Amino acid sequence: DGGITQSPKYLFRKEGQNVTLSCEQNLNHDAMYWYRQDPGQGLRLIYYSQIVNDFQKGDIAEGYSVSREKKESFPLTVTSAQKNPTAFYLCASSPQGMNTEAFFGQGTRLTVV
Amino acid sequence: SQQGEEDPQALSIQEGENATMNCSYKTSINNLQWYRQNSGRGLVHLILIRSNEREKHSGRLRVTLDTSKKSSSLLITASRAADTASYFCATDDYYGGATNKLIFGTGTLLAVQP
Repeated sequence: DGGITQSPKYLFRKEGQNVTLSCEQNLNHDAMYWYRQDPGQGLRLIYYSQIVNDFQKGDIAEGYSVSREKKESFPLTVTSAQKNPTAFYLCASSPQGMNTEAFFGQGTRLTVV
Repeated sequence: SQQGEEDPQALSIQEGENATMNCSYKTSINNLQWYRQNSGRGLVHLILIRSNEREKHSGRLRVTLDTSKKSSSLLITASRAADTASYFCATDDYYGGATNKLIFGTGTLLAVQP
């Protein structure tokens, strides 16, 4: 089945550790995105990539890093510099161009313990 | 920064009633989209309306867009308990050049009582 897969579904991290969230898509989409969602709030854009080997910061990129070495993969690393990393993280992809819809993964819930 | 806000923040109705939620945004757009999110899950695309369209229908969904007021509304007719979810509007990044980058509103939590 075509889709976008995030793993793991739940992740626990100790303070001071880096952790990487996986996002893979087989939809052949050029664009991929990472969003953060806090309880009862909307989605805030962390990073996005419109093409392989290129990515741009979103509104809340501090404390996060990404790579886009392959079209189908866009991993997000939450570094120890992110002061409040506990949140629900959503990955999405979309075709290039205007007026296209985004397809979302099922999310990763990260908890710092 | 979030593009705009949905209103109301929460809405509770009975099955069979209609649900209306509104979205306001701040800048020019190419399109506005509505998404649904079940609790603890990813978002699912519902409908896209382009800036030159005023109304669009999809099944029990009706979306309107008023670009002069920078606002949109989503109407769900004959609601069902399964419609219980959060609903988000999203607009594209008209000025940023990344025309498929979506900026989301704050969401409306809809509860449909059986």
